[in-house]
Amino acid sequence: NAGVMQNPRHLVRRRGQEARLRCSPMKGHSHVYWYRQLPEEGLKFMVYLQKENIIDESGMPKERFSAEFPKEGPSILRIQQVVRGDSAAYFCASSGTNAKNIQYFGAGTRLSVL
Amino acid sequence: QKEVEQDPGPLSVPEGAIVSLNCTYSNSAFQYFMWYRQYSRKGPELLMYTYSSGNKEDGRFTAQVDKSSKYISLFIRDSQPSDSATYLCAMSAQGAQKLVFGQGTRLTINP
Repeated sequence: NAGVMQNPRHLVRRRGQEARLRCSPMKGHSHVYWYRQLPEEGLKFMVYLQKENIIDESGMPKERFSAEFPKEGPSILRIQQVVRGDSAAYFCASSGTNAKNIQYFGAGTRLSVL
Repeated sequence: QKEVEQDPGPLSVPEGAIVSLNCTYSNSAFQYFMWYRQYSRKGPELLMYTYSSGNKEDGRFTAQVDKSSKYISLFIRDSQPSDSATYLCAMSAQGAQKLVFGQGTRLTINP
């Protein structure tokens, strides 16, 4: 499967725990984007990364949220000390260098905070 | 005011009908316009992609962009029950990779 791979598909955390969401981009893509979808809302941009660089994090909450895309391995979205309001679907997208605006999405990780 | 406005519906039409989905936007810098289809509890699937103004056709789908009116449309001909999904419009500005999405329109095609 050469598509965008996200895992886990479902993640349950208790308040105060940490959540780690992983994303492997489509083969040949080096640009990764994270979006959050709250119930009954559209997707909201969070962060854009290239290998080892954060390019645009204008949509990331200032606290508790961080993202990385290391030289080797998947991109990670990390949420520390989760709260109930973090419950949402988190989608990762990737694009190629020559067509950054054409983004392909993974199946998402649905985070539930108890 | 949201940057991108999209009627959330729900929209219900009979099989075989022509469906028209629309979005308006306020940011004149938007140059790239996309339509995604999202089935329940799945990821968005890219349907159509248009740069600047004009029309683009792909099978039963036609995307239109009117930059002068800041208005984009997606038409679905000969609609099928399998077209039942939420349709999301998305757009971005030149040089800015983040996509700005509409709320999505929930569409149901009745057999």
